[in-house]
Amino acid sequence: DQQVKQNSPSLSVQEGRISILNCDYTNSMFDYFLWYKKYPAEGPTFLISISSIKDKNEDGRFTVFLNKSAKHLSLHIVPSQPGDSAVYFCAASPNTGNQFYFGTGTSLTVIP
Amino acid sequence: SQTIHQWPATLVQPVGSPLSLECTVEGTSNPNLYWYRQAAGRGLQLLFYSVGIGQISSEVPQNLSASRPQDRQFILSSKKLLLSDSGFYLCAWSVGPAEGEQYFGPGTRLTVT
Repeated sequence: DQQVKQNSPSLSVQEGRISILNCDYTNSMFDYFLWYKKYPAEGPTFLISISSIKDKNEDGRFTVFLNKSAKHLSLHIVPSQPGDSAVYFCAASPNTGNQFYFGTGTSLTVIP
Repeated sequence: SQTIHQWPATLVQPVGSPLSLECTVEGTSNPNLYWYRQAAGRGLQLLFYSVGIGQISSEVPQNLSASRPQDRQFILSSKKLLLSDSGFYLCAWSVGPAEGEQYFGPGTRLTVT
């Protein structure tokens, strides 16, 4: 059972525009959320995180929004750059454990 | 600084053969360690995690097993590989309980033929 879902397998955006990647989760015990970026044949690298006590966290061009009531988070990249083209995974962790649960990923293509 | 190593980078094995993938972490002590699998069209599936030597938690029933013989060494094994074991295997570590990111190794591409 997939507890973290990314319903858009792919997304194409023009360079300079905003990219919005979405993620939904089902487990109300999740209280820490992360986004990772992954290039082919490499391990994911951490991008940005948010704790459930916040509804927004910003780091440069990357902003993560958390809507706890909807069990939804999103990653905004603005402006998008060609180097942002990669697969983006959201992940969630429960407040009682050491596990991280990942979504299925969204492949972002930024068109120059 | 901390580094994480995985080997081999690629592996082609016949069905029914054994498997051993190794992961080591340098530059940190008592890390949490994780094994994930990324299969075609799927996300990162958590297979095992370990909070200490000899402590292994399994997330899904499967044909694989994991061991942690030393603090910074995590091994993924199988006695007999299945075709469905093909995928991209990733080892990761984190500092402690949730509230911090995981750091991933470069991964092992396993093809079972």
